[in-house]
Amino acid sequence: QQKVQQSPESLSVPEGGMASLNCTSSDRNFQYFWWYRQHSGEGPKALMSIFSDGDKKEGRFTAHLNKASLHVSLHIRDSQPSDSALYFCAASEQGGADRLTFGKGTQLIIQP
Amino acid sequence: EAAVTQSPRNKVAVTGGKVTLSCNQTNNHNNMYWYRQDTGHGLRLIHYSYGAGSTEKGDIPDGYKASRPSQENFSLILELATPSQTSVYFCASGWDKNTEVFFGKGTRLTVV
Repeated sequence: QQKVQQSPESLSVPEGGMASLNCTSSDRNFQYFWWYRQHSGEGPKALMSIFSDGDKKEGRFTAHLNKASLHVSLHIRDSQPSDSALYFCAASEQGGADRLTFGKGTQLIIQP
Repeated sequence: EAAVTQSPRNKVAVTGGKVTLSCNQTNNHNNMYWYRQDTGHGLRLIHYSYGAGSTEKGDIPDGYKASRPSQENFSLILELATPSQTSVYFCASGWDKNTEVFFGKGTRLTVV
């Protein structure tokens, strides 16, 4: 069973709109979460981390974590064509090995 | 910007042949990782390392070996390549799971 699940698989948003991506963990040991973004032909690059309950804002990007439900979301406001990419949620265990477990990704398309 | 360099960038191998994928990082990071990316599976961890001389099995290690001869270099070895190992392979490095992990640009491997 996939330990980190993302939804939706793909998402189309008009330029200037709000994009919302979701991630849920089925493993309660996962306590630390990251969002990574991958543009076509490149390697993934970290967008932001979130380790505490609540919201974390970085520019147009806001992440939200609910540790009780192990649900993480990423919201992108004022979406730009350059935001079109594959977005991964990644999680690591509290006190566990130094490794990240990734979800399958959400393909985000921003329509000009 | 942290640098992770993979070679080769593209490789065609024959079934049953030996393949070595190389990775070099100039970040002085302790941890290095090998992932493979397949449509519908996201990023899956094959092997990782905590430092020179150490290798650990990830989630899908069967059919792969890893070697970490130095802080900078981490190799992935396919002793007997099979068509099911056709994929895009990413090397990454980082200090630990709670800091950003930096990815290379990937190696596209085709086993025929």
